[in-house]
Amino acid sequence: AQSVTQLGSHVSVSEGALVLLRCNYSSSVPPYLFWYVQYPNQGLQLLLKYTSAATLVKGINGFEAEFKKSETSFHLTKPSAHMSDAAEYFCAVSGTGNQFYFGTGTSLTVIP
Amino acid sequence: KAGVTQTPRYLIKTRGQQVTLSCSPISGHRSVSWYQQTPGQGLQFLFEYFSETQRNKGNFPGRFSGRQFSNSRSEMNVSTLELGDSALYLCASSLAGTGGTDTQYFGPGTRLTVL
Repeated sequence: AQSVTQLGSHVSVSEGALVLLRCNYSSSVPPYLFWYVQYPNQGLQLLLKYTSAATLVKGINGFEAEFKKSETSFHLTKPSAHMSDAAEYFCAVSGTGNQFYFGTGTSLTVIP
Repeated sequence: KAGVTQTPRYLIKTRGQQVTLSCSPISGHRSVSWYQQTPGQGLQFLFEYFSETQRNKGNFPGRFSGRQFSNSRSEMNVSTLELGDSALYLCASSLAGTGGTDTQYFGPGTRLTVL
């Protein structure tokens, strides 16, 4: 069975500060991990995905995530937050089959 | 290439009515998944269709049903609406639906309000 846990339902950072959104996964098979972003009244947009090719994955808008098997983590980071980064972020895992399991989301607030 | 489209974007219904939501996947995508998103429960998987067959199903009552057509377009139906069915319903499509690296691409959602 697969699942993800996102630590912190709300995260606030100052503009220009480091963004760190936490995601831990549980999977009985090699996981495929994803980060999605959702802006108000919109669907989910793929930020990046881990498919075992490289442990450090770079995505759009300056985001990246590192897969750490020993810690069962896939945390999302961005060196410098921008006001436009304010949104809801979801971590997801996909194993066998095509069923995705999403975390409960982290709402990111960027303080000017 | 056009993205996933969902119609209508907004719906208001009353308890007891039924509703049908539509999803057109990205051209060439054969798998369509449906999710219910609410503030309290987050994103919950409803079901997935591939080649006109329901392949995966989440833990929702039988009032929630769906189907997929030969052109991969999908519809979702909710009968006997309840207040708790108010939510954002998201549709996602993917190429082959084999899982793993097959990325799901989401539509903008249909906002259903049940009064």
